[in-house]
Amino acid sequence: AQSVTQLGSHVSVSEGALVLLRCNYSSSVPPYLFWYVQYPNQGLQLLLKYTTGATLVKGINGFEAEFKKSETSFHLTKPSAHMSDAAEYFCAVTLYSSASKIIFGSGTRLSIRP
Amino acid sequence: GAVVSQHPSWVICKSGTSVKIECRSLDFQATTMFWYRQFPKQSLMLMATSNEGSKATYEQGVEKDKFLINHASLTLSTLTVTSAHPEDSSFYICSARVEKKQADTQYFGPGTRLTVL
Repeated sequence: AQSVTQLGSHVSVSEGALVLLRCNYSSSVPPYLFWYVQYPNQGLQLLLKYTTGATLVKGINGFEAEFKKSETSFHLTKPSAHMSDAAEYFCAVTLYSSASKIIFGSGTRLSIRP
Repeated sequence: GAVVSQHPSWVICKSGTSVKIECRSLDFQATTMFWYRQFPKQSLMLMATSNEGSKATYEQGVEKDKFLINHASLTLSTLTVTSAHPEDSSFYICSARVEKKQADTQYFGPGTRLTVL
């Protein structure tokens, strides 16, 4: 069975500081991994996804994530936080393709301090 | 890009009434749509997979008679919450699948907030 664990339900960083949101997954077969962002009272927006190939994936808004099979991790990073990055972030996993069920992590709320 | 809309964006209803939520893919056809439920400060939980022209597949623990799903066309899926009760109050989000050669992608709607009084 697949599962996703996001460490830290709330992360707070200063504007301009590094953003690091942690995600570990469990899957019996090579997974497809995703990061989504959700702003208040809105749906989810895809930030980036890993399917195959290059393990460092670049997404929108300056975010990137690295797939590390040995660590079963897919942490999300951004070199310099912006106030507009404040939102809820979800890591997710699925098998083979997005047509399969997406299993979401519990989410991490990112706050940005001025 | 692929756009998914939901209507209404919010609804308040009395206990015992039924509420229909629409999910539309605006610029693409979606053979498969998904319905999720999200409680405050929690993650999304998949309720069911909606397939065009066939019956929906419900996740374990989801009452199919309470949450009726109809996927009548390639651009529209509806979720009807029948005989709603306060515990059904939640944020309901749909997504639609876009078939691509390299990894299908799901695009999410903006969500519908249901409040049952």
